[in-house]
Amino acid sequence: DTEVTQTPKHLVMGMTNKKSLKCEQHMGHRAMYWYKQKAKKPPELMFVYSYEKLSINESVPSRFSPECPNSSLLNLHLHALQPEDSALYLCASSPGTSGISSYEQYFGPGTRLTVT
Amino acid sequence: TQLLEQSPQFLSIQEGENLTVYCNSSSVFSSLQWYRQEPGEGPVLLVTVVTGGEVKKLKRLTFQFGDARKDSSLHITAAQPGDTGLYLCAGEEETSGSRLTFGEGTQLTVNP
Repeated sequence: DTEVTQTPKHLVMGMTNKKSLKCEQHMGHRAMYWYKQKAKKPPELMFVYSYEKLSINESVPSRFSPECPNSSLLNLHLHALQPEDSALYLCASSPGTSGISSYEQYFGPGTRLTVT
Repeated sequence: TQLLEQSPQFLSIQEGENLTVYCNSSSVFSSLQWYRQEPGEGPVLLVTVVTGGEVKKLKRLTFQFGDARKDSSLHITAAQPGDTGLYLCAGEEETSGSRLTFGEGTQLTVNP
């Protein structure tokens, strides 16, 4: 099973709303990632969790708050977003252990977020 | 500074033609991955190359990693409309740990 699942598939929220994006993987991967992707651009890294601890925060505004409840789950809490935050939000996971394939990343289908 | 330069950015060809996408950098990568992404979906991992000079084949797709591990290419033979998508190269720098550096992507359209 090389599947990463994300919910919801689409989300429309107002600038005063609070919402959460969810990501799940059952591949035993120990690293999980959040990316933001604008149309026709490559994914931009936001956060990396390694062994359930936040290891990289790419200077993301505090209106995005990640959470890793356990090794299979990754959440992204959203609050007071701006219209320019509208994008495809991708979750990915990788084995994160030593070895050649340790950093091969497997992506979920993404959540299409629209902020109105 | 864009660490991974990918070219061309856009490519529109007819079914049956061959094409090559290039990914170049001045940095050395421990590994380099190629992904294909369709609209509204996440990138799908196609291949990982690790050894300098390595060549991997996946049906009509041939991937090569440069001898110095600074560049890579993707060659598609007899392209089909199903090959249409955004192709992304992504490299793992030797000092970056778990961070991947993505190229800007190549939007390929194969017309029937």
